[in-house]
Amino acid sequence: AQKVTQAQTEISVVEKEDVTLDCVYETRDTTYYLFWYKQPPSGELVFLIRRNSFDEQNEISGRYSWNFQKSTSSFNFTITASQVVDSAVYFCALNTGGFKTIFGAGTRLFVKA
Amino acid sequence: EPEVTQTPSHQVTQMGQEVILRCVPISNHLYFYWYRQILGQKVEFLVSFYNNEISEKSEIFDDQFSVERPDGSNFTLKIRSTKLEDSAMYFCASSYSGRPDNEQFFGPGTRLTVL
Repeated sequence: AQKVTQAQTEISVVEKEDVTLDCVYETRDTTYYLFWYKQPPSGELVFLIRRNSFDEQNEISGRYSWNFQKSTSSFNFTITASQVVDSAVYFCALNTGGFKTIFGAGTRLFVKA
Repeated sequence: EPEVTQTPSHQVTQMGQEVILRCVPISNHLYFYWYRQILGQKVEFLVSFYNNEISEKSEIFDDQFSVERPDGSNFTLKIRSTKLEDSAMYFCASSYSGRPDNEQFFGPGTRLTVL
């Protein structure tokens, strides 16, 4: 069975702190795709990143970075120097080759000024 | 930048009524999806649609639900005989390809409230 676990329900940080959002996935498939989405208070889903199972290179995009480790089935997301605008719910998601994308429960991030 | 649009943004209905949620996918996209998010919970896949037929559906997508592409631009989700537990945010998404590494673009969502 496929599953995505985001153990952190809520995280609260002060602006400029770094924060890491954890994501652990389960699948028996050897080919799969991992995603992160941001859901700001306005409610829409904003795509952040996609990573396939054959590419374990970490990625950095501005203040965002992602650490993919197959050995621990984790795909963690770090925001460096957090800002108030980063306050949102962040979802990790998994697709194992079909049309269905499986989302984790989400981590609500509060960034206080 | 092209985007997925959804109407209405908020729909209130009485239990037992039928509702139709509308989506306009990005114009050159070929694959269409509906997802549901019960308040405060995870986003759940409902159905995917390609070439005028359902390509995959979840256990949630039972006979109460149906999808249709009635014309060249709209993609609709019909919920018959709504129940209280159908109250949720419904997201439409579209993608150019059905490959899982192809980004699905999400609409802003329709919040459905069943009273």
